[in-house]
Order: sequence, then structure tokens, then C-alpha cells
Amino acid sequence: QLQLQESGPGLVKPSETLSLTCTVSGGSISSSSYYWGWIRQPPGKGLEWIGSIYYSGSTYYNPSLKSRVTISVDTSKNQFSLKLSSVTAADTAVYYCARHVTVTRPNFDYWGQGTLVTVSS
Amino acid sequence: QSVLTQPPSASGTPGQRVTISCSGSSSNIGSNTVNWYQQLPGTAPKLLIYSNNQRPSGVPDRFSGSKSGTSASLAISGLQSEDEADYYCAAWDDSLNGHVVFGGGTKLTVL
Repeated sequence: QLQLQESGPGLVKPSETLSLTCTVSGGSISSSSYYWGWIRQPPGKGLEWIGSIYYSGSTYYNPSLKSRVTISVDTSKNQFSLKLSSVTAADTAVYYCARHVTVTRPNFDYWGQGTLVTVSS
Repeated sequence: QSVLTQPPSASGTPGQRVTISCSGSSSNIGSNTVNWYQQLPGTAPKLLIYSNNQRPSGVPDRFSGSKSGTSASLAISGLQSEDEADYYCAAWDDSLNGHVVFGGGTKLTVL
């Protein structure tokens, strides 16, 4: 059974960089069939796609976040990571990692449990 | 302001049929498939419908999806108390080099 697990600091200071890692178990991140994405949800609000990556390193980002986002993959560790720079309170959210079949089909079928990241001094 | 428009709330009584709409444009729903997610309180979203009307294994056939033009709908028949959750639609949008867009979500209350 495929499992995804987010990890990283739960508290980040304003203007700093948020860094999270998603560890995939029960399957290979190098599978040619899947993309791996990050989605966030501010408290009490809806879902927002941050971006996705293919095991080869091809990335796709939300245009509204593109200037601040970097998603990378480490196939040797079966992990992919998110970096969001220059964070503000508006970046406070539960961050989820998830898998989807193709980049143009956001059918995220496996999700991590989510991790709350609070931006505060 | 979400790219895909959903009603903020919906409700029904046990056994009823409820529909939730998702309105988009030619660059998203009009040219790409729609997916639906169910999010129970305090949990990660769960894929409910993919490719407009396909159910993943394990999703009851009480849940069905449809698409027409630039709009899509999720229907839940035989409403049950455990269906009380937030529901989101999602699609690929071809504008701005392409990106995933979500609806704002619909909170379903089972009365």
C-alpha cells in the first residue's frame, strides 16, 4: 500500500524559507506513471495546488506562487521536497503531498496526512 | 476567489439525492476532465470521482459525476450521515502555461 508522509518544521519565521519533504513508501517515486504534487489548505479555507514534479525532474508550478516555489526530487531516497521562499502569514496552511497520474489530470489518488506550517515570529 | 465556482453550502436529509455544481471556463472544465474530492473533518482529501465520471475502487456507486460544457456536477444519492463533508472539484487549466485549479469547496450538511 502506497504511503506518503510529510515532514519539516511546523513553525517558520516571516521572510524565511519553508522547507518540507514528502517520503514515499510502498512504491517507487521513479515510476514512469506518476507525478508527485504539493497542495496546501489555509485554516478554514479551500485547497490550493502549489506544484508537481515528475521523477525526471520536470516541474509544474502554480503561476501565483511560481516566483517563490521550488520542488525537487531525490529518487535515491524516494522523496520529493518543497521550498517556499519569503513566507508571510498568508502561507500558514496544512501542506499535503500527493500522487497523480498525469500533470494535466489532477486525480490525486494517494495523499499524505498533511502537516501544519505556521508562519509567525 | 477560486477559478472554479462551487456553492459554499448544500444540504439534504438522509436518503435524499443532492447535487453539487462546479462552474468553470473553456480553459479548464471546457477542455479538460474534472475530478471530485471528499474531505472529512480533520482528514486529507479523498479522490471521489476522476475523469468526469469514474469512481476509484471502493467509492460507493451512490456517488456519480457528470460534465457538460464548462460545468460539472457531483451527485450523491441515498444521502447518509457519513457523507457530511467538504467537497471540492478540480481540473487542469490550460492558461498561463497550464496549472491545476480547485473549486472553493462545498460544505455538505446532512440534516
